[in-house]
Formats: sequence, structure tokens, C-alpha cells
Amino acid sequence: AQKVTQAQTEISVVEKEDVTLDCVYETRDTTYYLFWYKQPPSGELVFLIRRNSFDEQNEISGRYSWNFQKSTSSFNFTITASQVVDSAVYFCALSEARWGGSEKLVFGKGMKLTVNP
Amino acid sequence: GAGVSQSPSNKVTEKGKDVELRCDPISGHTALYWYRQSLGQGLEFLIYFQGNSAPDKSGLPSDRFSAERTGGSVSTLTIQRTQQEDSAVYLCASSFGQGLRDTIYFGEGSWLTVV
Repeated sequence: AQKVTQAQTEISVVEKEDVTLDCVYETRDTTYYLFWYKQPPSGELVFLIRRNSFDEQNEISGRYSWNFQKSTSSFNFTITASQVVDSAVYFCALSEARWGGSEKLVFGKGMKLTVNP
Repeated sequence: GAGVSQSPSNKVTEKGKDVELRCDPISGHTALYWYRQSLGQGLEFLIYFQGNSAPDKSGLPSDRFSAERTGGSVSTLTIQRTQQEDSAVYLCASSFGQGLRDTIYFGEGSWLTVV
């Protein structure tokens, strides 16, 4: 069975601090996708990144970076120089990636980030 | 519209009543998903539609839940004989063509409260 664990439920930081959101996953699939979504107070889930299990390169997008470590089954997300607009709930998710496989996302419980001015 | 549109945004209903929640996906998107977000259970997959294929209903929690997608576009999620544990945010999402291989866009959700 697939499982995603986000051990931190809530983090509060001061603006300009760096913050890392942890994600650990479990799956028996050899190919899978990992995702991060942001849920601002308005409610919609905003896609941030999708990572294929074959691609272990870390990725940077502006102030966001992701560290995929297959050896530890982790896909951590770091926000550098956090801003108040980063305040949201962040979800890590996992899915199968084989053709014809399930299309469902398995989500972690989410982590609420509050960035204070 | 530019994004996934859901209605109603908020619904309060009495226990035992039926409710219908509507989702308008992004134009041209063939894949459509329903998820439920509740305090106790987090985000749970409900159902997935892809084009004219039979939907994946494996996430529907009971036979009180059903969904249809007419004309490959608009989808309606129906909950019959609502119970208090059905209170949650129901999120719809869509993607173009390849399901999870393409970016999934979520709507803002329909907040359902069963009293």
C-alpha cells in the first residue's frame, strides 16, 4: 500500500527565514510520481512540482527547492527567504506511474506553514 | 472560465437529505477527479473519469455516493441520505489527456455541512 507521511503538522517562522517541509513516502511500486501542492486560505490546491521516481535530480524554482532521496524515501521541500505569501497548507502526494495504473493521488496529512512579518 | 469551477461553494443540509455538487472542468480537459478533504481523514480520492472510459470508482466510501460526467465535461457528485460524517470539502480537479502525467488543476471546493 502507498503511504505519505508529513511528520510536521504546523510550523511558524519569521519572514526571510528558510524552512524545510519533510515528506517521507512508502510504496511497493518501482515507478511512481511524487508531488507537492500548496493550499492557500482560498482552498484550491495549487500544483508546485511533479517528480518521476527515475529522476533523482534536485530541482530549484526561484525560492523553492526540492530534495528527492530515493535511498531514504524522502522528497523534502525547502522555501528559502520565506515570505508572508508563502503561508498555506502544503501537501506531499504520491501516485503510481505505470501505464494503465491507478490515477489516484495519495496525500500526506499536510503541513500548515505560517510566515510572520 | 480559466479554472476548475465548482458549485455550490457552500452547502448546509439536513441529515438524510440528498445533495448534488457540480464541477465544471477546464475546457478541453478529459481527465476529471473528485477528492474529499475532511479534518479526520485528510485528502481522499473518490472517483476518476477519463474520456469515455469506465470511471475508477474505487474511492467512493459507500453506495450513497455516486458521480456522473455528462458529455465528457461537467460532472455531478451526488450524496444520498447524507450523514454528519459526510461533512467535508469536496474538491474537483481536471487535467489534459494523460491524467497524472499532466498537471492537475483543482477547484476551490464545495464545503458541505450536514446538520
